[in-house]
Amino acid sequence: KNQVEQSPQSLIILEGKNCTLQCNYTVSPFSNLRWYKQDTGRGPVSLTIMTFSENTKSNGRYTATLDADTKQSSLHITASQLSDSASYICVVSVGGSQGNLIFGKGTKLSVKP
Amino acid sequence: ETGVTQTPRHLVMGMTNKKSLKCEQHLGHNAMYWYKQSAKKPLELMFVYSLEERVENNSVPSRFSPECPNSSHLFLHLHTLQPEDSALYLCASSLQIGAGETQYFGPGTRLLVL
Repeated sequence: KNQVEQSPQSLIILEGKNCTLQCNYTVSPFSNLRWYKQDTGRGPVSLTIMTFSENTKSNGRYTATLDADTKQSSLHITASQLSDSASYICVVSVGGSQGNLIFGKGTKLSVKP
Repeated sequence: ETGVTQTPRHLVMGMTNKKSLKCEQHLGHNAMYWYKQSAKKPLELMFVYSLEERVENNSVPSRFSPECPNSSHLFLHLHTLQPEDSALYLCASSLQIGAGETQYFGPGTRLLVL
């Protein structure tokens, strides 16, 4: 069964600190993995996308990693800001013409001053 | 803004009401999607349209009826809903259907069924 598991479920950190969010997946065939950020009351916004051959992808203070062998991904946030408070959703695309997406439940991050 | 708008942003309805959710995309995309997002659950794909034709219906109850009059507009007609249908309903669009396509989401409609 295609599944995406994220951890932790929620996380509280102080402003300026770094944090890492985890994503494990069992999706076959694998096409790509995306991290989305969803602010409260808004729709998800894509942060990064990685294909099978990519190990690291950065977008400003966000750095995503992918280990296709262990089927794990992480999202590292550097020097967190209050605006980073949001849910972060890991999404894996199933290979094939339809491009079905398998969503994780998300990690809710709260950055406190 | 992502270029995808949804109205209304909030909706409260009784179980006997009929209402419609509207989605519009200004990105020139050919594919549009409806998702349901419930608390502590992953996003659930409901419907997929490509060039105004429905290409996927994920076993959604008939009390949800989608309509795609053109590639820029998508509606979700609601009737005789149940309290468990209360959720955030998200619309998304992409240039076309495919694993490599990024989906752009609207802000969602927060629905409460009483």
